[in-house]
Amino acid sequence: ETGVTQTPRHLVMGMTNKKSLKCEQHLGHNAMYWYKQSAKKPLELMFVYNFKEQTENNSVPSRFSPECPNSSHLFLHLHTLQPEDSALYLCASSRGGEPYEQYFGPGTRLTVT
Amino acid sequence: AQSVTQPDIHITVSEGASLELRCNYSYGATPYLFWYVQSPGQGLQLLLKYFSGDTLVQGIKGFEAEFKRSQSSFNLRKPSVHWSDAAEYFCAVGGDNTDKLIFGTGTRLQVFP
Repeated sequence: ETGVTQTPRHLVMGMTNKKSLKCEQHLGHNAMYWYKQSAKKPLELMFVYNFKEQTENNSVPSRFSPECPNSSHLFLHLHTLQPEDSALYLCASSRGGEPYEQYFGPGTRLTVT
Repeated sequence: AQSVTQPDIHITVSEGASLELRCNYSYGATPYLFWYVQSPGQGLQLLLKYFSGDTLVQGIKGFEAEFKRSQSSFNLRKPSVHWSDAAEYFCAVGGDNTDKLIFGTGTRLQVFP
């Protein structure tokens, strides 16, 4: 149990659907992250939030829209996705401000049909 | 720029054998170094970290890693591997004034009985 939860664990969506991924951390951390993990590719950092402010957008397409209403919750809103967006989406949190260790959630396995 | 190299994509060992997973980093100052493990369909779990001090660090599940500045390495070791250690292992590096981590491409460990 890592203190970072993600829902749903599995999601299948069509290219015209709109869905959201949710992440919640119970560790009192100030920074939250979205990563994309595809088969045979390195872990890709997508977004970073520090104290609810977005501090990193790693050239992510606009069909991915993050939201961080408070330091404990992070969402990833999805719309008009492509099949190549199918991947494991991982959320992580850390104390922020320094390269402290990040704690990861179990991920959401997304399949775009 | 920071980077991490894990030269071995896939390693196979027999249960009870010793293990060493290699990690080389590139960073101008003293790095912050981490090892994570990921079981299939799961998030990443922190095994151990190095920030400063003793260059041999102990982690969970009987793992240890040694920081060697002269070789820019942070190799992960375990004296006797268990079948449950089969997973993917990621090395990561962070630096001052950033809360981002750079991950290696991972090493998949397979354990034979």
